[in-house]
Amino acid sequence: NAGVMQNPRHLVRRRGQEARLRCSPMKGHSHVYWYRQLPEEGLKFMVYLQKENIIDESGMPKERFSAEFPKEGPSILRIQQVVRGDSAAYFCASSLGSRSTDTQYFGPGTRLTVL
Amino acid sequence: AQSVTQLGSHVSVSEGALVLLRCNYSSSVPPYLFWYVQYPNQGLQLLLKYTSAATLVKGINGFEAEFKKSETSFHLTKPSAHMSDAAEYFCAVTNDYKLSFGAGTTVTVRA
Repeated sequence: NAGVMQNPRHLVRRRGQEARLRCSPMKGHSHVYWYRQLPEEGLKFMVYLQKENIIDESGMPKERFSAEFPKEGPSILRIQQVVRGDSAAYFCASSLGSRSTDTQYFGPGTRLTVL
Repeated sequence: AQSVTQLGSHVSVSEGALVLLRCNYSSSVPPYLFWYVQYPNQGLQLLLKYTSAATLVKGINGFEAEFKKSETSFHLTKPSAHMSDAAEYFCAVTNDYKLSFGAGTTVTVRA
C-alpha cells in the first residue's frame, strides 16, 4: 500500500518563476493537507482540501499561493512569482477522515529553493 | 487556540541511556496529542498519539508518552537509546484537523 507521494522531491526556481508541487494521497484518503516547514521551525498548517473543495485555507498567504484537489489527479500547491522567503520544505498529508483522531500520514516533502 | 512548546531544541544521549523529550501543550478544549519523528530529508512518521483513552500511550520503536493534564504535558520517553533514534522529533496538538507543531527537538546518540 503506497504512502503519500509528493513530487518533485527537490525544486529550484529563480525569483519570479512559478512553482508547482504535487501530492497524491494514500489510497482511499480523500482529505489532503499542506504544511510548510521553514528552516529551524516546526510545520505550519497552510490549507485543507477535499476532492474539488477547499475547506480551510486560513494558513495560506493571501497572495501568490493557491491549492487545488481536482476530481481526478493529485493535489497541487501552486506558488506564483516565487521569492526567496518561499524557500522551505512543503509537506502534504492525507487522512481517511477529518476528525481529531484521524491520523494524518505525511509524504516525504518537496524542498523548494528560490535563487 | 492551541499550541505546543518543546523544551530543548537539541538533546544528546549515550547509546543505551534514557531518552526524554519534553512537550507542554496549551489548549482551551481537551486536546489530542501526537509525536512524530522526522529522519533527514524524509517526511514525518507517526510515533504515537493520545486520543483521550489511556493516559500512557505506547508507540513504535519502543517509545511511549504520558498525558498529564495537571501538568499540561505529553513527554516522550524511551528507556534505552539506539543509534537509529537519531532524528528530529515533533510534538503536535489538535482538536480538529489542523495540527499545531512544536519547533522540534533534534536527538543525537553518542556511541
